[in-house]
Amino acid sequence: QVQLVESGGGVVQPGRSLRLSCAASGFTFSSFAMHWVRQAPGKGLEWVAFISFDGSNKYYADSVKGRLTISRDISKNTLYLQMNSLRTEDTAVYFCARDSWRGVIVSNFFDYWGQGTLVTVSS
Amino acid sequence: DIQMTQSPSSLSASVGDRVTITCRASQSISNYLNWYQHKPGKAPILLIYAASSLQSGVPSRFSGSGSGTDFTLTISSLQPEDFATYYCQQSYSTALTFGGGTKVEIK
Repeated sequence: QVQLVESGGGVVQPGRSLRLSCAASGFTFSSFAMHWVRQAPGKGLEWVAFISFDGSNKYYADSVKGRLTISRDISKNTLYLQMNSLRTEDTAVYFCARDSWRGVIVSNFFDYWGQGTLVTVSS
Repeated sequence: DIQMTQSPSSLSASVGDRVTITCRASQSISNYLNWYQHKPGKAPILLIYAASSLQSGVPSRFSGSGSGTDFTLTISSLQPEDFATYYCQQSYSTALTFGGGTKVEIK
């Protein structure tokens, strides 16, 4: 069955960096676009970033553009989110999510999600 | 970015009630509207995609309707496991956005 398991969260000071990972299993990882979505404490869901099935296209929310970078390693079936210049407002649970359609055509909605990893940015 | 506005932000209902949640987009998004259920500490679940298509494995008491700017999620007979927060999400533009959520609580 499809599984997405996030890791790498923790407590970090403002301005520092962190890298999140999402280990994928149970499906052909190289065939699906992937996303990161976050939820700040007491708030709703916020889409963060997208990467196409082959890594050739990436999109970001304006709130993270230039600071967060999405990438993927097909050989390791792993999705990443490199988080630089972290701010207190980046504090959230970060979910990885699979795009619902395989291949070139993207659905931009999410049929499988991980359970999330908590990032706390605090001095 | 396209703004998504959900109402109400919370509601109290009893098991067996019919529940309706609305979602309004700041511009027309055709039928590029999806609904999710989210419980604390769990992974969100896709319920409805393309405004009215039921995701595989989701109970038929969930249904969606609407197009353009106004959309509705209906739970025909609320079950104990349905108490959760529900989010709409537009997939019309590459800057994906969610509604603020509707928390469904036990009356």
